[in-house]
Formats: sequence, structure tokens, C-alpha cells
Amino acid sequence: QVQLVQSGAEVKKPGASVKVSCKASGYTFTSYYMHWVRQAPGQGLEWMGIINPSGGSTSYAQKFQGRVTMTRDTSTSTVYMELSSLRSEDTAVYYCAREFLDIVATMAGFDYWGQGTLVTVSS
Amino acid sequence: EIVMTQSPATLSVSPGERATLSCRASQSVSSNLAWYQQKPGQAPRLLIYGASTRATGIPARFSGSGSGTEFTLTISSLQSEDFAVYYCQQYNNWPPLTFGQGTKVEIK
Repeated sequence: QVQLVQSGAEVKKPGASVKVSCKASGYTFTSYYMHWVRQAPGQGLEWMGIINPSGGSTSYAQKFQGRVTMTRDTSTSTVYMELSSLRSEDTAVYYCAREFLDIVATMAGFDYWGQGTLVTVSS
Repeated sequence: EIVMTQSPATLSVSPGERATLSCRASQSVSSNLAWYQQKPGQAPRLLIYGASTRATGIPARFSGSGSGTEFTLTISSLQSEDFAVYYCQQYNNWPPLTFGQGTKVEIK
């Protein structure tokens, strides 16, 4: 069965960086794009960006341009999201989410999600 | 960026009753809209895609409708496990992918 297992909670100081991992299993890793979505405490969902696990190409939300880097390791079927210059507003649960393809192989949402990784930014 | 607006923010419904949730897009997203359910401490779960197609394993009491800028998620007879927060998401024009702010369905 498809599983996305994320790394554990992190506590970081303002200005630091955090790198969250998401290990995929149960499907062909390179066949599905992976997205990152975050959720601040008590707030809604915010899309951060996408990575193509096959070629490694990425696209980031403008809000995070220059601060976020998404990478992948095909040998371990793992994607990573690194966020730098952390500030208190970055305190959130970070999710990886697999892109769902509909019957005509078009993007149609996210069908599998990781369990989430809480990143707390505090001095 | 397409802004998604959900209403109401909170919906109080008794078990067994019907719930109707709305989602409006700031410009047309055709039928490229998904709905998610999120329970406390859990990741979101895909309910509906293509505005009206139920995802695998989703009960028939969940239905979606609409196109263009106006969408509705209907839960025909609320079960105890349906009390949660629901989000809509457009994937017609991106990046960025955008979500509504959510509707919380609570027990009346």
C-alpha cells in the first residue's frame, strides 16, 4: 500500500534552516509528482511547491521563492523540503502529498499525504 | 492567483441531517476542483475531484457539484465521523495551487 512517512518534529531558532524528509513506498516513486503543503496552527492549507521525482525539476510558490529548496533521492525514494531563514510565522505542520492523476492522467488533487511534520520556530 | 472562498466558516448540523458547503473561486476554474476532509491531528483526505467525482472509498453520501466559480459539497446524512473541517482546492490555474480557508462542520 502507498505510504508517505515523514521525519520527526523539529524545533528551530529564528534564522535557522530545517530539512524535512518524506519517504515513499508502495508505488513507483518516479511516476508521481510530489507536493509540499503546510498548515499553521489552527489555520488552513498553504501550497509550497512541487517536485518531479523523476528529473528533479521543481516549482515553488512565489511566497517561498529563495527560501525553499525541494530535492529528491531516487535511491531511497525520498523527497526533501528545506526551508531557510526561518521565522516564527513558519511554525506549522508540513505535509508531503502525492499528486493524484485522474483517468486521463491529469493532475486532480492529492491522494496520499504524509503524517505531517511539526516545525516550531522559537527563540 | 485564484482566491478560493468557502462559506460558512462553521456549520452546525445534527447527526442525520444534510450539510451543504459552498466554495467560490475568484475566476473560473472549470471543473478542476477538489474537496478534502481533515480531522484533528490528521492529514487531509481527498473526497472529491473534478468537482463531482468521488475518490476511491468515499461513501456515496458525499457529493460535489458546480463548475466555473461556484461549487457545493453536500453530505446527505451526517454521520458522527463526518464532523471535521472541509477544504476546497483549485487546480485549474497554477502555480500556485490554492485552497479555501475551510468550513468546520460541528455537531449541533
